[in-house]
This record gives sequence, structure tokens and C-alpha cells, in this order.
Amino acid sequence: GQNIDQPTEMTATEGAIVQINCTYQTSGFNGLFWYQQHAGEAPTFLSYNVLDGLEEKGRFSSFLSRSKGYSYLLLKELQMKDSASYLCAVRDTGGFKTIFGAGTRLFVKA
Amino acid sequence: EAGVTQFPSHSVIEKGQTVTLRCDPISGHDNLYWYRRVMGKEIKFLLHFVKESKQDESGMPNNRFLAERTGGTYSTLKVQPAELEDSGVYFCASSQAETGVRAGGYTFGSGTRLTVV
Repeated sequence: GQNIDQPTEMTATEGAIVQINCTYQTSGFNGLFWYQQHAGEAPTFLSYNVLDGLEEKGRFSSFLSRSKGYSYLLLKELQMKDSASYLCAVRDTGGFKTIFGAGTRLFVKA
Repeated sequence: EAGVTQFPSHSVIEKGQTVTLRCDPISGHDNLYWYRRVMGKEIKFLLHFVKESKQDESGMPNNRFLAERTGGTYSTLKVQPAELEDSGVYFCASSQAETGVRAGGYTFGSGTRLTVV
């Protein structure tokens, strides 16, 4: 079956670093996305990994290990505005169908 | 450029009624997707259009749901008749071809929050 697991909630302190993990078991794999979603708003694209390794983009980095079915999103120098849900999503093989995890709600406290 | 626009933003209807949701993708995006998030659960794929053709509708829950994209521009998703379990947030997303997806993912609309009472 198709399954994507990520923690339900995390809390971190402003200025700190937080790592949000995602494990997946899907019938196919054609890339993994991370999206950020603030309450009541549209999910917004953060990163896309299709090869193993680390992709860095400013304060955000995303890592992928295809053999382990594992990814993480790393947020550095946390800001209050980073409080949001972070969605891990896997794209199916051969098409554009994307399977989403339930999301991790990140609370950043002062 | 204008983003993905969805209308209405909220809809409250009674069980048994019909509701039509509309999505205007980013101009030039041939790929259009509908997703749904039921309360407390993950966002789930409903279907994918390439221009006016349904590429994948494997996520459509049942035949009460009908999606169209006449002319390959905007899309509508009709629920008829609506049931209580159809309540949730319906998201539309659009994308360009593969290179665009890898660079910027899918662009989502803000969603339509549907409540069936």
C-alpha cells in the first residue's frame, strides 16, 4: 500500500534548528516534495528531491535516501513565521499523481 | 502572474444538494489537479487533467463527483448529490511540464472549504 509517515507535531525555539522526518512506502517513486502550509492558505512549494543527497535552499534543506525510503526537512535559524504545517509528498512513477503525508505542525516559540 | 484561483472559498450546503467548485489554473499550465483534504487527514489526490483530457481519475471517490475542463482552461468539480462525508477542503493545483515541476512543484490554490450539513 501507499504510506507516508511524519510526526504530527513538533515544537522548537526561535533561532534554533529543527529537523522534520518523513518515511515513505509507495509502489512507485518519482521524486519527493516538501510543502509549507499556513492555516487556511494554499500549500507552497519548498523543495523537490529525486536523487539521494542534500538540497540546500537558504534556511531550508531537504535530504533524501531512496534506499531507506526516508527524507527530512531541515529548517535553520527558525523564525516565528515558520510556524506552519510541513507536508511531505511523494510523486508516483510515470505520472503526476502525488501522495501526501498528513503533515507536521511546527510551533516556533520565542 | 496570477496564481491558481478557486471559487468559492467557502460553501455550506445541505445533504442531497449539488455544488460546483471552480478552479482557474495559472495561464499556460496544461496540468491541472484536484485534491481533497478531509478533516484531520492527509491531502488526497482526486484527478489530473492534461489540457482538457483526464489523465488520471483514480482518486475520484465515486460517481457523485464529476470533473470537467472544457477547452483546457478552467476546471469544475461537481458533487451531486452531496453527502456529509464530502465535507473538507478541495484544493486545485496546476503545473507546467516536467522541468517546471522539478523546479517549482505544483502551485496550489487556497482551496474551497465545503461543509455539507
